[in-house]
Amino acid sequence: IQLTQSPSSLSASVGDRVTITCRPSQGISNYLAWYQQKPGKAPKLLIYDVSTLQSGVPSRFSGSGSGTDFTLTITSLQPEDFATYYCQQLINYPLTFGGGTKVEI
Amino acid sequence: QVQLVESGGGVVQPGRSLRLSCAASGFTFNTHGMHWVRQAPGKGLEWVAAISYDGNDKYYVDSVGGRFTISRDNSKNTLYLQMNSLRPEDTAVYYCAQGVPRATQYFQHWGQGTLLTVSS
Repeated sequence: IQLTQSPSSLSASVGDRVTITCRPSQGISNYLAWYQQKPGKAPKLLIYDVSTLQSGVPSRFSGSGSGTDFTLTITSLQPEDFATYYCQQLINYPLTFGGGTKVEI
Repeated sequence: QVQLVESGGGVVQPGRSLRLSCAASGFTFNTHGMHWVRQAPGKGLEWVAAISYDGNDKYYVDSVGGRFTISRDNSKNTLYLQMNSLRPEDTAVYYCAQGVPRATQYFQHWGQGTLLTVSS
């Protein structure tokens, strides 16, 4: 299953609302996760099962969608949110990631 | 807290072999599926291999099938990745990742990664 993320990069300011889209090549029910990765660091789980927030993740992060159209939204972007974000499908092996979205200042 | 510590990376010539290890702590290792995920320099994430909690089920991305073998030792809380016939395109940071105790897998915790460079 291929995951197409868009945009591949975006520029935003602190306080902005940011939306990242992930489109699978086939339906994946509600089996989608989102990760955040900062340079030189391991990825961090943000959201799983489309919209369930991982413990400790700020509530400004949210996920939505179904079937073949999913969204990660960051309301009121904070300085620590500048990073690259990846979606991942959970439904089938091989597990696959989207190409990533780099959120820049 | 959950800790995953990878080791075994380094520089290796094409065609040679290497084994990565991941020492796990802070959770009940033998109830979680485990994974290897890699990231080539400047590139995105690529899932490589998975193993079920008991070691009975294993899965691989096509590009490493037949060359890489994932295994685990639940008595030592350690995950392994045996890599044979290494290619330059295997150059990447390799992350060990904790799965979740259910059928559909996401990566709840990650190690810091170990760098493998395949070069002559």
